[in-house]
Amino acid sequence: DTGVSQDPRHKITKRGQNVTFRCDPISEHNRLYWYRQTLGQGPEFLTYFQNEAQLEKSRLLSDRFSAERPKGSFSTLEIQRTEQGDSAMYLCASSIYGTGGDRYTFGSGTRLTVV
Amino acid sequence: EDQVTQSPEALRLQEGESSSLNCSYTVSGLRGLFWYRQDPGKGPEFLFTLYSAGEEKEKERLKATLTKKESFLHITAPKPEDSATYLCAVQGSNAGNMLTFGGGTRLMVKP
Repeated sequence: DTGVSQDPRHKITKRGQNVTFRCDPISEHNRLYWYRQTLGQGPEFLTYFQNEAQLEKSRLLSDRFSAERPKGSFSTLEIQRTEQGDSAMYLCASSIYGTGGDRYTFGSGTRLTVV
Repeated sequence: EDQVTQSPEALRLQEGESSSLNCSYTVSGLRGLFWYRQDPGKGPEFLFTLYSAGEEKEKERLKATLTKKESFLHITAPKPEDSATYLCAVQGSNAGNMLTFGGGTRLMVKP
């Protein structure tokens, strides 16, 4: 296993378009998280899955954002009708149940630029 | 609501010049305080977890300590390869499994 993989690494899109990002976690990790990070800031929690169940969503997550984790494996994060304020690095992390944040392994992120 | 504040925002050191980074936090029932290192264009990389006041962890030139209100990351005799952004995060008992991160300290070590 080579760690958490995210695709694409970079995405430039026009305002109003829909975008989808993919995250492949470490295979034995049953927890998967999405965070957003803007320049000069720390990561901000978006949502969390345990296996295929989405257990937590940030209050900051607008209706334009949706995430799925079919069959408890890879996950996708979709942003509909993108806005310039959505420009950020989208980070995925995975962990093993019972070990909490100290086993978070982050991917390298998808950098989204909305023009 | 859990909150984390890191200071300074940026720190420039000469190689070999030891210093400390600060992480102040407020949390409802601390489950863990975490330090991560982040290099440009990459995701955060786990360094330490601290669970209770008085606890200390060490790794090479880094040492993390924890009190009831803050944590310090001490860097002893830093090298240029220690240049990175250091992030502090907390997990509170009311926060489920999410981490609340501070804004980070951007460390630059000059040879």
